[in-house]
Amino acid sequence: KQEVTQIPAALSVPEGENLVLNCSFTDSAIYNLQWFRQDHGKGLTSLLLIQSSQREQTSGRLNASLDKSSGRSTLYIAASQPGDSATYLCAPRMGSARQLTFGSGTQLTVLP
Amino acid sequence: DAGVIQSPRHEVTEMGQEVTLRCKPISGHDYLFWYRQTMMRGLELLIYFNNNVPIDDSGMPEDRFSAKMPNASFSTLKIQPSEPRDSAVYFCASSKSGTGPMNGYTFGSGTRLTVV
Repeated sequence: KQEVTQIPAALSVPEGENLVLNCSFTDSAIYNLQWFRQDHGKGLTSLLLIQSSQREQTSGRLNASLDKSSGRSTLYIAASQPGDSATYLCAPRMGSARQLTFGSGTQLTVLP
Repeated sequence: DAGVIQSPRHEVTEMGQEVTLRCKPISGHDYLFWYRQTMMRGLELLIYFNNNVPIDDSGMPEDRFSAKMPNASFSTLKIQPSEPRDSAVYFCASSKSGTGPMNGYTFGSGTRLTVV
């Protein structure tokens, strides 16, 4: 059974800092991995989808990397802003299944 | 596209009552998922459908929970009878089969269920 761990559980940084959120998963036979953000009390918004054959995916100030063999993915946020404050969730999808398995998330606070 | 639409946004009900949650997936998406989110357990998959057919319902907690997808544009999750421990946020998500960047999940805004 796939298990997903996200470290740190919470992170507080001053505005303007670059930061890295970590995600590890136990079963490397993934099909793809999706990063989401969840604002407090809201639904999940997809940020990036990275295929198992890719090493990186970029969208604006966000960059996701994937090292499938070691079971790790990182989400890099450049020049953080208070509006980036949210919980960030990673979710790999197994090759043999359709559903995503979610980590418990990293709660990010960017201080103005 | 309006995205995945869930209703109601909030539901407060008394223990023992029947609760029905509704979901309209994105047009053209052939997979539909129901997830539940709680502080203790995070996001858990309850059931998912492919082309309106239930594929995996192993996450449905007990017989009080049932889900249907009568057509490609509508699904329901029913709890009967409801219990306080069912209180959670229930999310519906949809996706499209195939490969590539367009095949990720899209989530609805969720239904916050409170059973008193």
